[in-house]
Amino acid sequence: DTEVTQTPKHLVMGMTNKKSLKCEQHMGHRAMYWYKQKAKKPPELMFVYSYEKLSINESVPSRFSPECPNSSLLNLHLHALQPEDSALYLCASSQRNSIYGYTFGSGTRLTVV
Amino acid sequence: DQQVKQNSPSLSVQEGRISILNCDYTNSMFDYFLWYKKYPAEGPTFLISISSIKDKNEDGRFTVFLNKSAKHLSLHIVPSQPGDSAVYFCAATNSGGSNYKLTFGKGTLLTVNP
Repeated sequence: DTEVTQTPKHLVMGMTNKKSLKCEQHMGHRAMYWYKQKAKKPPELMFVYSYEKLSINESVPSRFSPECPNSSLLNLHLHALQPEDSALYLCASSQRNSIYGYTFGSGTRLTVV
Repeated sequence: DQQVKQNSPSLSVQEGRISILNCDYTNSMFDYFLWYKKYPAEGPTFLISISSIKDKNEDGRFTVFLNKSAKHLSLHIVPSQPGDSAVYFCAATNSGGSNYKLTFGKGTLLTVNP
C-alpha cells in the first residue's frame, strides 16, 4: 500500500458546524502533515506530526485542531470556520525523520458557507 | 517572502518536444528539492527529486538539473506528451534535523499540445 487516503473528498459545512477530516496511511511513515491549498496558490504547511506528537504548528488558528490517534491516522477537527477557510486540505506522510517518500493524499475539498 | 519561485505561470509546448520548467530559491539552507505534478482537485504526485550533493538526476523522461551557485533548478521533460499537461510544483526543504516542511513555488501550468 503506497497511498495516503483522505476522507471525505468533498465537504460543505456551515460556520457553526463541527466536522472532521480524516487521513490514513499504511506505509509505516512516522511523519504526517496537513497542508492547505487555496485556488491558484501553492500548498502551505499547517501542522506536522512526528511519532504521533505535534512537532510543527504554523501559527494555525485554533478553529483547526489536529489529532494523531496512532501512527496510521491523522485527523483535522474543524469548528467555527470562516468562508475564507474554504480550500483543498491535503494530508501527506513521509518516512521517519526524513522527507524521503513524501506522499500526498488526494485532498478534501472544503467549502464553508 | 517567497523562498521558492517559479516565475513562469504557464508553458505551452508541442507533443514530442522538450518542456523545461524553471525554479529559483533564496534560502541557502535548502538542500533537497522535489518536483510534483498536480491535476485539478487531486493531491500533488511526486515526480523526481534531487539532493544538493548532485547536479543532475534522471528518471525516464524526467531530468532535474541543480545549479547550487545560482540557486536554480530546472525540470526537463523529453519527449513531452499530452498526458504531461498539469501544474508542476517545485518544492524545497532542509533534509537535516527535524525540519520536515516542504516550501512550494506557485507552480507552472504545462500544456502539451498534440
